[in-house]
Parts: sequence; C-alpha cells; structure tokens
Amino acid sequence: GAVVSQHPSRVICKSGTSVKIECRSLDFQATTMFWYRQFPKQSLMLMATSNEGSKATYEQGVEKDKFLINHASLTLSTLTVTSAHPEDSSFYICSAGGLSQPQHFGDGTRLSIL
Amino acid sequence: SQQGEEDPQALSIQEGENATMNCSYKTSINNLQWYRQNSGRGLVHLILIRSNEREKHSGRLRVTLDTSKKSSSLLITASRAADTASYFCATDGQKLVFGQGTRLTINP
Repeated sequence: GAVVSQHPSRVICKSGTSVKIECRSLDFQATTMFWYRQFPKQSLMLMATSNEGSKATYEQGVEKDKFLINHASLTLSTLTVTSAHPEDSSFYICSAGGLSQPQHFGDGTRLSIL
Repeated sequence: SQQGEEDPQALSIQEGENATMNCSYKTSINNLQWYRQNSGRGLVHLILIRSNEREKHSGRLRVTLDTSKKSSSLLITASRAADTASYFCATDGQKLVFGQGTRLTINP
C-alpha cells in the first residue's frame, strides 16, 4: 500500500486563490520531504526540501513567498501556493525518504488555475 | 547541476520484446535510481544501484552502471502492456535530480 499520501489529487480554482496541498508519510517518520513540480511530458523539477521543525530549503528560482512550505510534524508537510495564477497550473508531487535511499512519492496534485 | 539524461525520449515496442533505456549524467554520484511513472500518477521506485556496483537485477529488470562513462541502462525483459509508462533515472548526489525520462509504450 501507499506509504506517502498526497491530497488533494486535483484542484480547480479561480485566479488569486491560495491552495494548500498536504503530503503525509503513513508508515514512517520523515524529517525531510521534497516537493516537485512537473509540466506535461517533462521531468520533475525539485522546488524545495521541507525540513521538520525548520525552514524549507528552496531551489534557485523558486519563490519562497509564493510557495509556502510547512513541515510541522514528522508525518506532514504542506505546500501552499499563494495567490495562484494560471502560470502556476501544474502537477505537484511530494516525496519522502532517507538520504541516498529510495524515495516514496505521493500520487501528485493536479492544480488548474482558471 | 548534475542531471540524468535519458535516451531514447520515446520507445514503442511489441509485447514480449525487451526494452532498453539509457541514462547519462554529468558529475559524481552516490547512487543512481530508476523510477516509473504511470500517466498522471506519482513515481514508483524500481531499483537503486550504488556507485560501487556495476549491475543489479530485480525480477524482469536489469540495471547497469558505468561510472567511467557516467551512464546507466535499464533493461526490461519480456515486456508487458502494463509496463507502458515513463521511466526516469535520478542521480543522487546531495539531492535527487531527475532526467527527462523515456516514454515507453508496449503494444499488445
């Protein structure tokens, strides 16, 4: 069964809305989780590393005020897309796993901003 | 930044045939991982090969790693329709970096 649960699976909302995506590790404690963005037929782009109890580490070019990450517990990380616009429409995926270990991925969230 | 680059970008074969995908990367790695992604879903880990390993098997999967050439290959033997998916290699240095992927289609 799934070891990482991601919700919601799909969101359609109006421009200007803030959207929260949850990523939960079900069978293990995850001090680190990762958030990726994927455009159609393209690869995964790492957006940020979510660290439990501390600030997330963002990749170059990713706006931290736009994509708010909170990792308040060892089993939950959230990504909030603030004031979303059509260009933020994408497939967002989280993963969890130890360093240099296989990653367990959520099933992704398809975000569509009208 | 280091990145795995897959070749070919797309591959279409008949059921029962073998499928081979290649991955090249740029810098030193701790390990290299292969993942499968079904359309619209998350990624599923297939196999991890460490930098000091040359070959690894898992069921119908065979992965090779040549650190001198900075390349890896994934072989799927006796392909099935259910193998239709995108396959990504990911290099693990300080963080996991994914290649562009190979879209594999198995025709019944």
